[in-house]
Amino acid sequence: DVQMTQSPSSLSASVGDRVTITCQASQDITNYLNWYQQKPGKAPKLLIFDASNLETGVPSRFSGSGSGTDFTLTINSLQPEDIATYYCQQYDNLITFGQGTRLEIK
Amino acid sequence: QVQLQQWGAGLLKPSETLSLTCAVYGGSFNDYYWTWIRQSPGRGLEWIGEIIHTGNTNYAPSLESRATISVDTSKNQFSLRLTSVTAADTAIYYCVRAYKLGSIFDFWGQGAQVTVSS
Repeated sequence: DVQMTQSPSSLSASVGDRVTITCQASQDITNYLNWYQQKPGKAPKLLIFDASNLETGVPSRFSGSGSGTDFTLTINSLQPEDIATYYCQQYDNLITFGQGTRLEIK
Repeated sequence: QVQLQQWGAGLLKPSETLSLTCAVYGGSFNDYYWTWIRQSPGRGLEWIGEIIHTGNTNYAPSLESRATISVDTSKNQFSLRLTSVTAADTAIYYCVRAYKLGSIFDFWGQGAQVTVSS
């Protein structure tokens, strides 16, 4: 199985901050990496697909980058509605998810 | 707008069979993969398996011996059966639409809490 490791597991940031979440794969997954946002009591929502492509309707302050084993989700100018848990997901070898990063407002 | 609505028994005893169904409204049913994903505090998000309109399926190796996903194209519905459940199967179960050969999950059901307890 491909293991996905996210860091940090939680972070606290202020409105307007730039936030970076990383995801590391246990093996090369090229760009077969998606990012999801999950708010409490809701299903995950697709943000970024294929490492760097913004899903339709997702605000442009969200961006993704990376390839191989190291990937990054960036939120430019954090907004209160961005409070959520974020997950990465690989599909190079079956499907596995990272353990999540909980984002809180400072 | 695409909607996935799911239902099924929420409380099971150990060794019973979990059964969930998901109805799909909107979109082209035959153009996508239909997937089950579960989420628990201990295991996080876990892909269970998928099906397409022809009935072809794929399963997570860890669940393949107990999971069956079926499809009813006349109703735009698909279902999950998981046999011999234990407390480890307690989770929120989501039905999900996937594209790009089942690799990108773009529409999710509301989720169903399934609890296994004696």
